[in-house]
Amino acid sequence: KQEVTQIPAALSVPEGENLVLNCSFTDSAIYNLQWFRQDPGKGLTSLLLIQSSQREQTSGRLNASLDKSSGRSTLYIAASQPGDSATYLCAVRLYNAGNMLTFGGGTRLMVKP
Amino acid sequence: ETGVTQTPRHLVMGMTNKKSLKCEQHLGHNAMYWYKQSAKKPLELMFVYSLEERVENNSVPSRFSPECPNSSHLFLHLHTLQPEDSALYLCASSQDHASGRYNEQFFGPGTRLTVL
Repeated sequence: KQEVTQIPAALSVPEGENLVLNCSFTDSAIYNLQWFRQDPGKGLTSLLLIQSSQREQTSGRLNASLDKSSGRSTLYIAASQPGDSATYLCAVRLYNAGNMLTFGGGTRLMVKP
Repeated sequence: ETGVTQTPRHLVMGMTNKKSLKCEQHLGHNAMYWYKQSAKKPLELMFVYSLEERVENNSVPSRFSPECPNSSHLFLHLHTLQPEDSALYLCASSQDHASGRYNEQFFGPGTRLTVL
């Protein structure tokens, strides 16, 4: 059974810092991996999707990397801002499992002004 | 706006009540999902509907009863719930539920359920 773990569970940083969020998964037979953002009491917003054949994806200040063989992904946030405060979730899709996502527990990020 | 709406946004119910959660998607998708997000557990898939047929039931207790009358609407009927069922219930939709293809799931804002 696929298990997805995110470390740390919570993170508080001052504004302007560069930071890294970690995601690990136990079954490397993934189709792709996706990073989401969730604001308090809200649904999920997709940030980045990395296909299993890719090593990284970038969107603005966000960069996600994938090392499928070691079962790890990182989300790098450059020059963090208070508006980045949210919970960040990673999720994986397995081959031949339909469109089902397996989520990690999330990292709750607080960026202080 | 994600194109997926959920009502109500907040619900408080007693253990003997019967209530329903509603999800509606305006994206022309054929697959819809119910997820449960508890405070101490990762987001968990509950049910998947594809073309109005249930294709996944992730060992969910029978006190949760889903209904998909058409491809745009999804309901979750609740009865005799327990306090541990208190959680954020999220609905999502995607183009379809095909294996091996990328179909982005679009999420609604969720219903915050409290069972007293």
